[in-house]
Amino acid sequence: GEQVEQLPSILRVQEGSSASINCTYENSASNYFPWYKQEPGENPKLIIDIRSNMERKQTQGLIVLLDKKAKRFSLHITDTQPGDSAMYFCAASENNNAPRFGAGTKLSVKP
Amino acid sequence: EAAVTQSPRNKVAVTGGKVTLSCNQTNNHNNMYWYRQDTGHGLRLIHYSYGAGSTEKGDIPDGYKASRPSQENFSLILELATPSQTSVYFCASGLGAAETLYFGSGTRLTVL
Repeated sequence: GEQVEQLPSILRVQEGSSASINCTYENSASNYFPWYKQEPGENPKLIIDIRSNMERKQTQGLIVLLDKKAKRFSLHITDTQPGDSAMYFCAASENNNAPRFGAGTKLSVKP
Repeated sequence: EAAVTQSPRNKVAVTGGKVTLSCNQTNNHNNMYWYRQDTGHGLRLIHYSYGAGSTEKGDIPDGYKASRPSQENFSLILELATPSQTSVYFCASGLGAAETLYFGSGTRLTVL
C-alpha cells in the first residue's frame, strides 16, 4: 500500500504567524490528498483536500500545495489562532487503494 | 452530516479474550475502514471493505478479523486479544477510496 511521511511531528508557533506541514507519498497513482484535523478526544474531520488535477487550493486561511513531480504536498495555515491547536493528519489515496495516513503533526499555537 | 456510530466507546478486555468492535453508518457509503491510532504512528489501516460481503486486509491485519454483513455494518474482531492491541480504534466510511472519510467517535480498547 501507499506510504505517507509527515513532518514535523510537533510544531509550536506564535499566534498570528503561519504554520506549515509537509507530507510525501510514494505511489505515483495517488490522486486524492486530504487533510484532517483532530481535536483532543474527538475524531478526525476533513478541513481541506486537493486532487491531482490541481496544484493549489485555498479556503478560509488554509492553503494546500501539491507537487506531483516531487510527490509532495503541504498544508499552510495563515494567521494561526489558539483554536488551530490540534493534531493534523495528511493522507493519500487513489481510486483503487484505501487511504493511508501520515503519522500526524501536533500543532500548538501560543497566544 | 454523514453519521458513523461506533460501539462500545470504551472497552476493557482480558488477554486471550474475544473482542468485537462494531460500526454502523447511515451514509449509504460503499467503503468502510478500520484504523487504529497510536501516538507516533498516526492512523494505521487494519481492514477495509468495498461493500457488503467484502473485506480486505490493510497494513496491519495480524490478530484482527473483519466482517461486513451489510452496507451499514462493519465489525472488527479480535479473537485472542493481546496487550499490544490496546489502542484507540476508529471506523470510517467513504463513497470511494479517493473521497472524504467520515469517522466515528472511536473506541478506546484496553487489554489487560
